[in-house]
Amino acid sequence: DVKVTQSSRYLVKRTGEKVFLECVQDMDHENMFWYRQDPGLGLRLIYFSYDVKMKEKGDIPEGYSVSREKKERFSLILESASTNQTSMYLCATLGPGSGNQPQHFGDGTRLSIL
Amino acid sequence: RKEVEQDPGPFNVPEGATVAFNCTYSNSASQSFFWYRQDCRKEPKLLMSVYSSGNEDGRFTAQLNRASQYISLLIRDSKLSDSATYLCVAQRTSGYSTLTFGKGTMLLVSP
Repeated sequence: DVKVTQSSRYLVKRTGEKVFLECVQDMDHENMFWYRQDPGLGLRLIYFSYDVKMKEKGDIPEGYSVSREKKERFSLILESASTNQTSMYLCATLGPGSGNQPQHFGDGTRLSIL
Repeated sequence: RKEVEQDPGPFNVPEGATVAFNCTYSNSASQSFFWYRQDCRKEPKLLMSVYSSGNEDGRFTAQLNRASQYISLLIRDSKLSDSATYLCVAQRTSGYSTLTFGKGTMLLVSP
């Protein structure tokens, strides 16, 4: 079974702080993703990475950056946290192969920015 | 037009009922489709892939109509434990493989 581990289930930070959310996977998957999920808005893709040191913007990258120094780890960084970044953050991975490959999600991090 | 659209519900059904969800997608480049299930305050989990020929997994049946660009999920003999939000997902696999999620349909099964 694919295991995707997010460093924290719950996190409370203050406005202006630099926040790091970590995601680690154990299946040697090339592709990793960061989403946020908000009521009424569904899952929205922030950034994704298809290889070490590679990254691509998703639909809502503003206010975020990412780091992929090792294949198994994909970090989401809130450069200067703001209250509108309070959300559920979900990391996911995707293995190689074409078509019909589902993504596997971590447990999620509930981030509150005060 | 949103890329993946679902009726948000909630669908309230009694145990044992049959319930169907539909989902439409707008991006004809979408090649693979999935249904995910998400319980309250939990991460989405894959329920089943959706194949062009239709596929069944126990009480669950998924259908794909590429011409009309819609996907369906049928749940027979609903159980209380089926109460969850069901997310319709379209995957584009040309270039970077990314998923587009619908906002989900909430199902509430009552005794």
